[in-house]
Amino acid sequence: GQQLNQSPQSMFIQEGEDVSMNCTSSSIFNTWLWYKQDPGEGPVLLIALYKAGELTSNGRLTAQFGITRKDSFLNISASIPSDVGIYFCAGSVMADYGGSQGNLIFGKGTKLSVKP
Amino acid sequence: NAGVMQNPRHLVRRRGQEARLRCSPMKGHSHVYWYRQLPEEGLKFMVYLQKENIIDESGMPKERFSAEFPKEGPSILRIQQVVRGDSAAYFCASSPPFGGSSYEQYFGPGTRLTVT
Repeated sequence: GQQLNQSPQSMFIQEGEDVSMNCTSSSIFNTWLWYKQDPGEGPVLLIALYKAGELTSNGRLTAQFGITRKDSFLNISASIPSDVGIYFCAGSVMADYGGSQGNLIFGKGTKLSVKP
Repeated sequence: NAGVMQNPRHLVRRRGQEARLRCSPMKGHSHVYWYRQLPEEGLKFMVYLQKENIIDESGMPKERFSAEFPKEGPSILRIQQVVRGDSAAYFCASSPPFGGSSYEQYFGPGTRLTVT
């Protein structure tokens, strides 16, 4: 089945630093989504990407849909303490009828923690 | 605007009992998805439903698990004769009808099921 490889698995941030994480797939996706999950909560949608090459921003967050449709990255600029959490990429495979297959395939997450 | 609602937030069941998890989608959303998350893992798709129809249940175990989304009322994920391995966080997501942002799934806070 389709798999998403998300890296890095974890990273430590210092306030003010820029952060970058990415996702790669062995399959083509027609939609990429990035979510953030805080402990004990559900994932919150950050950015949605629909077209190969698309670059989209949401405040300090920027994400891109790779040209090959098999990868995506998320950048966080000037990180702040509340950026701590787990970030997930998720992809949707194209259905036979051309739309989304419906179910999302998730990466295992990138855990952001504060540098001790 | 109320988001996706799930209840209960926490559920404890003894082995062999039944677990019923409820999900009310966001207002105006007609598609519901259920996912399961184990500790330190990403979310795994279970089932995709529209009102009174199961669209895709490819991620749901064939035995003991069932899901419904009736014409009136919330979507229900039912687990019969629970076993310890069913302990996990179960998340529901909803999305709007087809078109535009229909690929964006919005998640509820989850139900944490513990089987003792």
